Formats: sequence, C-alpha cells, structure tokens
Amino acid sequence: IAGITQAPTSQILAAGRRMTLRCTQDMRHNAMYWYRQDLGLGLRLIHYSNTAGTTGKGEVPDGYSVSRANTDDFPLTLASAVPSQTSVYFCASSEGSGRVTGELFFGEGSRLTVL
Amino acid sequence: GQNIDQPTEMTATEGAIVQINCTYQTSGFNGLFWYQQHAGEAPTFLSYNVLDGLEEKGRFSSFLSRSKGYSYLLLKELQMKDSASYLCAVTDSNYQLIWGAGTKLIIKP
Repeated sequence: IAGITQAPTSQILAAGRRMTLRCTQDMRHNAMYWYRQDLGLGLRLIHYSNTAGTTGKGEVPDGYSVSRANTDDFPLTLASAVPSQTSVYFCASSEGSGRVTGELFFGEGSRLTVL
Repeated sequence: GQNIDQPTEMTATEGAIVQINCTYQTSGFNGLFWYQQHAGEAPTFLSYNVLDGLEEKGRFSSFLSRSKGYSYLLLKELQMKDSASYLCAVTDSNYQLIWGAGTKLIIKP
C-alpha cells in the first residue's frame, strides 16, 4: 500500500534518552516534513527536506535533528529527550520541491511521551 | 506575525449544514488548504483554494476571499462520520504552510 509509514506508533521515553522516529515513503515525493501537534496549537514544522541530501529548519527545530540520505527515508532524532517534547509527531511528504502547492500526505503519527 | 484564526469548537445536527470559518494574516498568500483530522488519526486533504470563489466537491465546499483574508468550509447533509477536527492552512510568500489550531466539529443525532 503506497503512502508514508512511521515507527514507532507510540513510545514512552525517559528524559535524557536518545530517540529516533522513523519515516519512510514510497511515493517518490521530493519534499518531506516533520511536524509536532500539541493540544490547542496548530501543526508546527520542526524540520523539512526539499530533496534528498538537503534539510532545513522549521519553526521549532531546537532539540531535534534530521537527515535525508535518500528519497524515501527521513528520520527525526531527539538527542536528549525532555518532557516538553511530549507530543504527537507527524511525518508528511509532497510532490513539490520547496514550494507547497499541493496536497501533503501524512503518516499515521508517532505519540511520544517523555517522563 | 503570521496568524490563522478558526473557532475552537462547533456543534451541529446530523443532516444539517455547517460553515467553519477561517481568517488569516500572513506574509503573502499562495493558497489555502482545508484538512480533516479524525481523533487519533492523521490529517487528510479536503480542498485547496488559490483563486477567489467557491470550490465544490460533493458534500464539501470551500470558499476563498483573498481581499478579506477569509475562507470557509461548508459541510452539507452532515453525517456522524463528519465529527472531526478541520484544519485551515495557508501557504505564505515563501510557499511555507502556516496552520490554524483547528476546529473540532461535534455532530449530534
């Protein structure tokens, strides 16, 4: 089934631990994004990648890092998790490269709790 | 700053019509999106408006007025499955998406 796959779907993590959220798409989309969604707030962009080999910072990048070694994979790493990073994380992709002019396709989300 | 405003929550009756408003103030404008998000699920695309006017797609319609910085999503013949959050998002002058906090729509029998 074509689309975006995220893993894990849910995780409880101790503060200070390192965590990588995985994201894989099979639509050959150029652009990929990582968002966090918190109650009462809109989706906030953490990092993005317009094409394989390039990444950029979004609205809330601190404490997070990403890589884009190939078109399909876009992992998000929390180097040392803190409780304020408790959130639902969504990976998304779109056909465009740097310009959002069409639909974003979202993964099912990863619910992360940092204690 | 950039801002998207939507009502936090709305209630409507099954079979009725509901209009969800969205106003925006952004640095430039290159399109407006509406997404639907059921509780615990990912957002899914509903509509995209880049020119003024009404776009109709089945029971859902989306309207845009660029001069007023205003859009609405109109849902007709409401069904229980339409209970969800509806997210408004605008692409700014850099073609980056700015998201509203979403409107939670509750449908009552």
